[in-house]
Amino acid sequence: QVQLVESGGGVVQPGRSLRLSCAASGFTFRAYAMHWVRQAPGKGLEWLAFISYDGGTKYYAGSVRGRFTISRDSSKNTVYLQMNSLRAEDTALYYCARDLSERYTFDYWGQGTLITVSS
Amino acid sequence: QSALTQPASVSGSPGQSITISCTGTSSDVGGYNYVSWSRQHPGEAPKLMIYEVSNRPSGVPDRFSGSKSGNTASLTISGLQAEDEADYYCSSYTSSSTWVFGGGTKVTVL
Repeated sequence: QVQLVESGGGVVQPGRSLRLSCAASGFTFRAYAMHWVRQAPGKGLEWLAFISYDGGTKYYAGSVRGRFTISRDSSKNTVYLQMNSLRAEDTALYYCARDLSERYTFDYWGQGTLITVSS
Repeated sequence: QSALTQPASVSGSPGQSITISCTGTSSDVGGYNYVSWSRQHPGEAPKLMIYEVSNRPSGVPDRFSGSKSGNTASLTISGLQAEDEADYYCSSYTSSSTWVFGGGTKVTVL
């Protein structure tokens, strides 16, 4: 069965960096595009970033463009989110999600990893 | 990209039908048939319920249906059940090659 497991969360000071990982299993990882989505405490979902199946195409939300970088390593079945210059408003639960091929949506989600940006 | 507009809450009694709206623009909901709906129970990850406006993934009951007219998409839940109490989010692909979510709707089963 499809499994997505995020890791790398924790408490970080404003202005610092953090890298999240999402380990995938149960499907042919190299054939699927992936997304990162976050949810601030008590708030709704916010899409952050997309990476194509081969890593050749990447898209970002305006709120994180230039600060966050999505990447993938198909040899490790893992997608990453490098987050720089973190701000208090980046505090959220970060989910990775699989892209439903050519359907422009998210068909499987991980359980999320929590990032708290605080001094 | 502004969030899609959803009602904050919708409620209904068991067995009734409810409809949740999701309003965007011609750059997202109105411009593409790539509207999806996801359900999120408290403390859980979202689950895809509808994609491409009206398609149900395998395993999703046919009580869930979707539609779209112009810049507004809708999710209808028929035969409301206790397990349907959750937050529901619409999402759409956009002309900027990004995705946008609605603010979420809390469904309460009375």
